This record gives sequence, structure tokens and C-alpha cells, in this order.
Amino acid sequence: SAVISQKPSRDICQRGTSLTIQCQVDSQVTMMFWYRQQPGQSLTLIATANQGSEATYESGFVIDKFPISRPNLTFSTLTVSNMSPEDSSIYLCSVEFSRQASYGYTFGSGTRLTVV
Amino acid sequence: DQQVKQNSPSLSVQEGRISILNCDYTNSMFDYFLWYKKYPAEGPTFLISISSIKDKNEDGRFTVFLNKSAKHLSLHIVPSQPGDSAVYFCAAALSGTYKYIFGTGTRLKVLA
Repeated sequence: SAVISQKPSRDICQRGTSLTIQCQVDSQVTMMFWYRQQPGQSLTLIATANQGSEATYESGFVIDKFPISRPNLTFSTLTVSNMSPEDSSIYLCSVEFSRQASYGYTFGSGTRLTVV
Repeated sequence: DQQVKQNSPSLSVQEGRISILNCDYTNSMFDYFLWYKKYPAEGPTFLISISSIKDKNEDGRFTVFLNKSAKHLSLHIVPSQPGDSAVYFCAAALSGTYKYIFGTGTRLKVLA
């Protein structure tokens, strides 16, 4: 499985500011995925990032709030813009894996964001 | 509308005993299911999966059971070890798609 490095691991930010989260994969992948886990909630897909094209956002998430870059096949960033306390969550990047009869996601270690 | 539910937010089990984590889903179209384990300050780690063509899949101490008629799956850990203490997420998907729907997780504590 791919190894994913995600940073920062945690941050405390002031409301109204922006934070960019970086995700580096040790192999080339076509799609990268960004997830959010709000406190006590399940993991929710924010968007899918393909290299060379605009990210595809899920219902309830918009590009102005969560701009994504995908400059090459091993790297992606997610920016959380104009933050409010409701954005306090764990943000995770992931890539697909497939081996034998199993497939799914490999996740990065996550970024724990607290907005004050 | 939560399509995948883990109704037990926490579970405590004695070391050496069986841990049973449960998951229910509402969409009968789901045909692929996964379990993930998450330690604090780490991302979720894939544990085991099952396709709807099977009703059981085993990997060492971990077994997943699928009851399609009840739209229910469970993860059995036998024997439970203190290192199994983590949050466990189930997820469901339509095979061939990349969109997985996750439950809210069950925190397992294995007592030494």
C-alpha cells in the first residue's frame, strides 16, 4: 500500500484565517481524496482530486471554502478558507488501494484542526 | 439520513475474550463492506473487507460476518488483545465506486 505523509498533524487557528493541508504520497496515483471527520461524526468525503483537472466536490462542499490543488501525481493540498469554529475537525487525505480480493482507501495520519 | 450506523459508541471487553462490533446499513444496493481501525493521532487503517457474494471473511483473529437480509455486518475479534483498543469504523460502498459511506465508529477498549 502507498505511504501517505500529511502535514501539519494539528493546528489551532483563529477564525477568519485559512489553513493549507499538504498530502504527499510515495507513489503516483490518479485520484486523491479528501475527507473530514467532525467531532463524534463519521468520515465524510469532501472532494476527489485528479491531476490536471478541477476537483470534484461532494454535496455540501464548495470550491471557495475548500480549494484543492493537485499539481502532480504524488501531491495535493486542501485549504480550509475563512475558518469558523464549525470547521474544527480532523481532515484526512487518502488514496485507493487494491490487493488480492480487497480494495479500499489508505489514509494519511490526518490533520486535527481547532478553530478558536 | 445516516446510511451506515454503528449504534454502540463504545465497548469494553476483557483480554482473551471475543469482541463483537456491529454495523447496520440501510441501502440494499451496497455490496462491498470494510472495517477500519483507528488509533489516536493516526489515520484509519484498513482491517478487513467483505463482498456481498460472501457471508463471512476471515483474516487471522478478525472475522467479518455479513447478513444481507438484515442489512447487518459484524466484526469479531478473537481473542481480543489490549493492542486492539482503538476506534473501529465500518464502511459500505457500491462495488466499483470510490465513494464509501462510513459509520460513526465504535471505541473498543480491551482490558488487561
